[in-house]
Amino acid sequence: DADVTQTPRNRITKTGKRIMLECSQTKGHDRMYWYRQDPGLGLRLIYYSFDVKDINKGEISDGYSVSRQAQAKFSLSLESAIPNQTALYFCATSDSPKWAGDNNEQFFGPGTRLTVL
Amino acid sequence: LAKTTQPISMDSYEGQEVNITCSHNNIATNDYITWYQQFPSQGPRFIIQGYKTKVTNEVASLFIPADRKSSTLSLPRVSLSDTAVYYCLVGLLSGGYQKVTFGTGTKLQVIP
Repeated sequence: DADVTQTPRNRITKTGKRIMLECSQTKGHDRMYWYRQDPGLGLRLIYYSFDVKDINKGEISDGYSVSRQAQAKFSLSLESAIPNQTALYFCATSDSPKWAGDNNEQFFGPGTRLTVL
Repeated sequence: LAKTTQPISMDSYEGQEVNITCSHNNIATNDYITWYQQFPSQGPRFIIQGYKTKVTNEVASLFIPADRKSSTLSLPRVSLSDTAVYYCLVGLLSGGYQKVTFGTGTKLQVIP
């Protein structure tokens, strides 16, 4: 089984609908992240969470909200979807660094392709 | 947050060594340099990380000059399966809350 899973893998929705993307991990990591990827723009950070009680905005948080339901679960919501939120969304996890120089490698899920019509 | 600059794309023939250079002129003292690889329709995957001089693993080498204002990812003897986008990241990954930025990456095309 994959360590980081995302559901759904593909979703088509209409403008104004509320959408939730879910991410689960079995790696036991404290830190979780949501990114979106648009063609030619690389990955941009939406929100990140370093533990269940810690939620932080990323570069492009407007129009999005998140919920960290448990250490293993981090959900991304679009309260009222709009067409320019059409993108590929990735969830990632990383462990808390144990020592200075710990590489804090991020492990990514397979992505969710979201289309807003 | 340190900004990185990489070539948008590169082509290489199979079996050649590929060097991808990343510029990060405003790198901070505590910043590390990390490279990720991304295949189409997949999430990025960690390749290598370093702070200074040279780091080598089973996949790649990372060369960082003394001033740390740039770094070079070296892929030895590339194959078609190395065709991917390569991202250079600079940020405080050893603690703290500084975010890292992926940027647009370098699209490497390996040619038979």
